[in-house]
Amino acid sequence: GQNIDQPTEMTATEGAIVQINCTYQTSGFNGLFWYQQHAGEAPTFLSYNVLDGLEEKGRFSSFLSRSKGYSYLLLKELQMKDSASYLCAGMDSNYQLIWGAGTKLIIKP
Amino acid sequence: ETGVTQTPRHLVMGMTNKKSLKCEQHLGHNAMYWYKQSAKKPLELMFVYNFKEQTENNSVPSRFSPECPNSSHLFLHLHTLQPEDSALYLCASSQDQIAGGTYEQYFGPGTRLTVT
Repeated sequence: GQNIDQPTEMTATEGAIVQINCTYQTSGFNGLFWYQQHAGEAPTFLSYNVLDGLEEKGRFSSFLSRSKGYSYLLLKELQMKDSASYLCAGMDSNYQLIWGAGTKLIIKP
Repeated sequence: ETGVTQTPRHLVMGMTNKKSLKCEQHLGHNAMYWYKQSAKKPLELMFVYNFKEQTENNSVPSRFSPECPNSSHLFLHLHTLQPEDSALYLCASSQDQIAGGTYEQYFGPGTRLTVT
C-alpha cells in the first residue's frame, strides 16, 4: 500500500532550527513535495525533490533519499509566523499525490 | 482574481439539503482536483479532472457529484449529506509536464462545510 508518515506535532523556539522528517511508500515515485498550511488557510507549496540531495530555498531546505524512502524539511532562524502545519506528499506513478497527515509546528518565543 | 478561488467559504446545511461548491482557477492549468480535509487526517483525494475529463474517482459516495464544464471551473454538488461529511473541502489545480508544468498543485482557500 501507499503511506506517508510524519510526526503529528513538534515544538521549537524562535530563532532555532527544526527538522521535520517524512518517510514514504508509494507505488512508483515521481517526487516528494512539502506544503505549508496555516490554520484556516490553503496549503501553499514549499519545495519539490525528485533527485537525492538537499534543495535550499532561503530559510527552508528539503532533503531526499530515494533509497531510504526518506525526506526532511529543515527550517532555520525560526520565526513566529512559521507556526503552521507542514504537509509531506509523495507523487506516485500516476502523478497523484499521497499525503501525510501533517506535522503541526508550534514556535515558542 | 488570481490563483484558485472557492465559494462559498463557509456552508452549513441540513442532511436533506442540496448545495453546490464552486471552484475557479485563473492559472491556465489543465488539471483540477477536489480534496476533503478532516482534522488530523491526510488530505483525501476525491476527484481529478484532466482537460475536463474525470480521471480519478476514489470511491467517493454518490451523494458527492462533481462537474467540470471547462478547464477553469469545477463544481461539487452535494445532496443528502451525513454529519461525518463535515470537513474542509479544498480545490486545487496543476499543470502536467506534458503541458509544460511541474505537477505542483495550487490550492484554493477551501469551503468549511458543516452538516447538521
